[in-house]
Amino acid sequence: QLQLEESGPGLVKPSETLSLTCTVSGGSISSRSYYWGWIRQPPGKGLEWIGNIYYSGNTYYNPSHKSRVTISVDTSKNQFSLKLSSVTAADTAVYYCARHGRSSSGIPIWYFDLWGRGTLVTVSS
Amino acid sequence: DIVMAQSPDSLAVSLGERATINCKSSQSVLSSSNNNNYLAWYQQKPGQPPKLLIYWASTRESGVPDRFSGSGSGTDFTLTISSLQAEDVAVYYCQEYYVTPWTFGQGTKVEI
Repeated sequence: QLQLEESGPGLVKPSETLSLTCTVSGGSISSRSYYWGWIRQPPGKGLEWIGNIYYSGNTYYNPSHKSRVTISVDTSKNQFSLKLSSVTAADTAVYYCARHGRSSSGIPIWYFDLWGRGTLVTVSS
Repeated sequence: DIVMAQSPDSLAVSLGERATINCKSSQSVLSSSNNNNYLAWYQQKPGQPPKLLIYWASTRESGVPDRFSGSGSGTDFTLTISSLQAEDVAVYYCQEYYVTPWTFGQGTKVEI
């Protein structure tokens, strides 16, 4: 079945760029009508949507981070990626990649029906 | 942004008893065009990612036990666990997906 797995450095220095990749296995990232997203969760806190992407490259970003966030897709590798620039300690979190839902008629629905296991990224010098 | 407020922050329920979690949105998430409430519920166990339980406020995801049910409309929603099992110990989150940025409640911790 479809699985998502995050990968990337677990430690990033302040002011640098956080880079993570989500690898989709067991299915194609190019499946029509599925959007793929990033969500983060600071330790002991709640969930925050960061942004998402379609296989064509169409993106939506949370305005809270829009100036620092870039999400991209590589369909040849069945991966999508997150870059968050100028990080601070406040960006320390578990970062999840996830898939948005889709209706039976193929229309995207913006809940998250499949999640990766998450990866902890700590921002510290 | 729509603010999602859950209550209580935590609750302790005996095994076999009912657990009720509330979620209130700062604006309606009911669509007048299709009469759907754009509200989902997730369960997150320690060290695990969230798991989708319910969408459209009351539709159970495939494989979710029927002791989990969702109700409500507009701005006020409820997740009910009819008979709490030990494996239901978790934090539960609501999420609106009506307008971007999609937002989550702060979570409700359910304990035995």
